Amino acid sequence: QSALTQPPSASGSPGQSVTISCTGTSSDVGGYNYVSWYQQHPGKAPKLMIYEVSKRPSGVPDRFSGSKSGNTASLTVSGLQAEDEADYYCSSYAGSNNLYVFGTGTKVTVL
Amino acid sequence: QVQLVQSGSELKKPGASVKVSCKASGYTFTSYAMNWVRQAPGQGLEWMGWINTNTGNPTYAQGFTGRFVFSLDTSVSTAYLQISSLKAEDTAVYYCARGESLGLAIIYFDYWGQGTLVTVSS
Repeated sequence: QSALTQPPSASGSPGQSVTISCTGTSSDVGGYNYVSWYQQHPGKAPKLMIYEVSKRPSGVPDRFSGSKSGNTASLTVSGLQAEDEADYYCSSYAGSNNLYVFGTGTKVTVL
Repeated sequence: QVQLVQSGSELKKPGASVKVSCKASGYTFTSYAMNWVRQAPGQGLEWMGWINTNTGNPTYAQGFTGRFVFSLDTSVSTAYLQISSLKAEDTAVYYCARGESLGLAIIYFDYWGQGTLVTVSS
């Protein structure tokens, strides 16, 4: 099972928005509404930010939003703040044989 | 509150074995799948597989069969990852992560352990 494809980096100034794409196939992203996004600060464990494409866990700011179109999912961070600087990983259920796959990761820099 | 607390860092020689523990608290251990995720130095996240905490049945992702074993001790709400015949390329941080599932579909990981660094070096 190949990793989902994300851009290596993205950036924006404080207050701006940044959108990260996550491209898979019809066997994972496009086939199920089970895309999730994780934020990881250096030296820390990942944190769930979005699940089931667009749902936010309790405590995650509404500046974070998710969407999906076909085989590509997206994470948008609006009103960028310094603490949003981190690595972001998408992931998806990939069917009964391959089960689960992560994206390649995107480093978000707040300029 | 839900917590997953992993065992400490390990330094092992090539060919040795290591067993990483993940102790869960704050929820019913057998109500959620337990997953294992690897992150090599400077690299991304890699799903290793999961274990059904009700049945003890493990499922391994491609590339994690043979030398990797998931196990449980439900009496102490703890999951284990054992890696045998360690190689230098096994050097990584290993995370346990609680998985929300629908049947056999792991749909997201809502709580993570703090990670255990396993270093394999002669």
